[in-house]
Amino acid sequence: KAGVTQTPRYLIKTRGQQVTLSCSPISGHRSVSWYQQTPGQGLQFLFEYFSETQRNKGNFPGRFSGRQFSNSRSEMNVSTLELGDSALYLCASSLALPEQFFGPGTRLTVL
Amino acid sequence: DAKTTQPPSMDCAEGRAANLPCNHSTISGNEYVYWYRQIHSQGPQYIIHGLKNNETNEMASLIITEDRKSSTLILPHATLRDTAVYYCIVRPNDMRFGAGTRLTVKP
Repeated sequence: KAGVTQTPRYLIKTRGQQVTLSCSPISGHRSVSWYQQTPGQGLQFLFEYFSETQRNKGNFPGRFSGRQFSNSRSEMNVSTLELGDSALYLCASSLALPEQFFGPGTRLTVL
Repeated sequence: DAKTTQPPSMDCAEGRAANLPCNHSTISGNEYVYWYRQIHSQGPQYIIHGLKNNETNEMASLIITEDRKSSTLILPHATLRDTAVYYCIVRPNDMRFGAGTRLTVKP
């Protein structure tokens, strides 16, 4: 069974732009969670989607949004990028919480 | 802040047992203790989980105190490849990760 895939793996953007990251969960998994990881803040929870509905949300500004499609694939969008948004963005899928399977991440660099 | 606290770093000699502690004094009755590890910016990898009984699998053992307020992850024979950040988390009510423990296995 294929693991969690994230695209793109690397991305460079400039301040003020917006970005969309994609996550394809393990087949059959309906829960997708997103995390931001930076050297200073560690692994921070962004939000979790289950069956196209946001079920949990972390403490991030409204510039960070997400959605989940009927096939369980999920996208995360960050608008008006700031330098501090440079991070590794990780997606995790679950058949049923609490066990999560993480993807390799998307490394976003904001210049 | 996450519901768990862990020491920021630990060292272990190769071949020795690595014992990683975790405090989760506010854990609820329905919450499990999960352990993950992350090797150099890869996605975190599941290790083991437990509710109140001790658990063992091919990777590690998990010892949970009777009051469930703390636990210890044991890697019985640490290797250099076990060098990683180890996260202790409670699920399912809390989606957060703490800062974890950076374990360095030394030759």
